[in-house]
Amino acid sequence: QKEVEQNSGPLSVPEGAIASLNCTYSDRGSQSFFWYRQYSGKSPELIMSIYSNGDKEDGRFTAQLNKASQYVSLLIRDSQPSDSATYLCAATLGGYQKVTFGTGTKLQVIP
Amino acid sequence: DVKVTQSSRYLVKRTGEKVFLECVQDMDHENMFWYRQDPGLGLRLIYFSYDVKMKEKGDIPEGYSVSREKKERFSLILESASTNQTSMYLCASSSDSNEQFFGPGTRLTVL
Repeated sequence: QKEVEQNSGPLSVPEGAIASLNCTYSDRGSQSFFWYRQYSGKSPELIMSIYSNGDKEDGRFTAQLNKASQYVSLLIRDSQPSDSATYLCAATLGGYQKVTFGTGTKLQVIP
Repeated sequence: DVKVTQSSRYLVKRTGEKVFLECVQDMDHENMFWYRQDPGLGLRLIYFSYDVKMKEKGDIPEGYSVSREKKERFSLILESASTNQTSMYLCASSSDSNEQFFGPGTRLTVL
């Protein structure tokens, strides 16, 4: 079983719609969760961090964490073509400083 | 802004050569990481370091070594490069928040 699991996609949404990206993790003791955006040929860029159950909003992005279900999601409102990228979910597993990444979900926003 | 720089964007080496990849961060972060990223396999942790002269093996340390003589600098060494080490290499740093910030990456080709 993968430690951080994401659907590889591609997830296609029309411009202006809400994109919903999902992630599950295996370690109940995980404390910290992150979403990164990676454009093709570029390095990952941190979008959001979330540490407690519930929602955290930053502009058009909302991260949601449900520790009971071991589930993290990222909502992107009013999706733009510039949001087209691969989104990586990450969590601290098995050690405070070690972060494990999922393989990413490719998002395509269709104009 | 956190800045993480890597010594080369593109590198071509021959099988058997010793390869040095350097990474420098300017935010006084304690933790530094080396990953490789391959299509379909995601980010895989090679080595990380909590502090100067400290190092810990990640998930795929075989064929690699690291050096951290100064807090801001973390070097990855391929002792004898092989074709299966052709990959994108990404360096990252973080503070205690575990939010990792990535360098631009080095695309290494071993012929």
